Amino acid sequence: DTEVTQTPKHLVMGMTNKKSLKCEQHMGHRAMYWYKQKAKKPPELMFVYSYEKLSINESVPSRFSPECPNSSLLNLHLHALQPEDSALYLCASSHIVFGTGGRVDEKLFFGSGTQLSVL
Amino acid sequence: GDSVTQMEGPVTLSEEAFLTINCTYTATGYPSLFWYVQYPGEGLQLLLKATKADDKGSNKGFEATYRKETTSFHLEKGSVQVSDSAVYFCALSKFMDTGRRALTFGSGTRLQVQP
Repeated sequence: DTEVTQTPKHLVMGMTNKKSLKCEQHMGHRAMYWYKQKAKKPPELMFVYSYEKLSINESVPSRFSPECPNSSLLNLHLHALQPEDSALYLCASSHIVFGTGGRVDEKLFFGSGTQLSVL
Repeated sequence: GDSVTQMEGPVTLSEEAFLTINCTYTATGYPSLFWYVQYPGEGLQLLLKATKADDKGSNKGFEATYRKETTSFHLEKGSVQVSDSAVYFCALSKFMDTGRRALTFGSGTRLQVQP
């Protein structure tokens, strides 16, 4: 299994709703990431979890709340979002690969994303 | 900070034409360089990568060479197909203080291949 699975694929929510995005991988990866991608823009890093602990928060507003309950699951809890938060939310995971000469390299696997619309 | 600059799109080509998508980068240290491809409605897939100067990454007929002297990582393919139509992102990657890798993406270049 070399997939990162994200659910739901599409989500429409109002500004007062609470919803959650889910991400799952069974590749034994110990790092998981959330990226946000606006239309026709590149993905932007939001959060990084390493060994189930939050290691990077790229100054994301508190209305986005990540959670990593175990090494296979990553959630993004959404509350009181704004219309400008509408975007494709991508999850990724990674493991460490030892290349030639002992170099440590890390390969990211991305999910298909959740297309979020905030009304 | 680190940044990646890609040529503006869309790039429109006929089938079997030669493809070049330019990518240049600015970074301290020794980043790894990547090309990712995104098909409509899907996430990103790693196309190829290079981890040090003069490395050539290749996959599915696509190639890119890590040129430290020109800080470039241009993507090329000798003969494109309609199925290559997608958005291509150049990216650089460095290990952060946490020991994990963070990707910085270029703005993306949309490729449209016509039959």
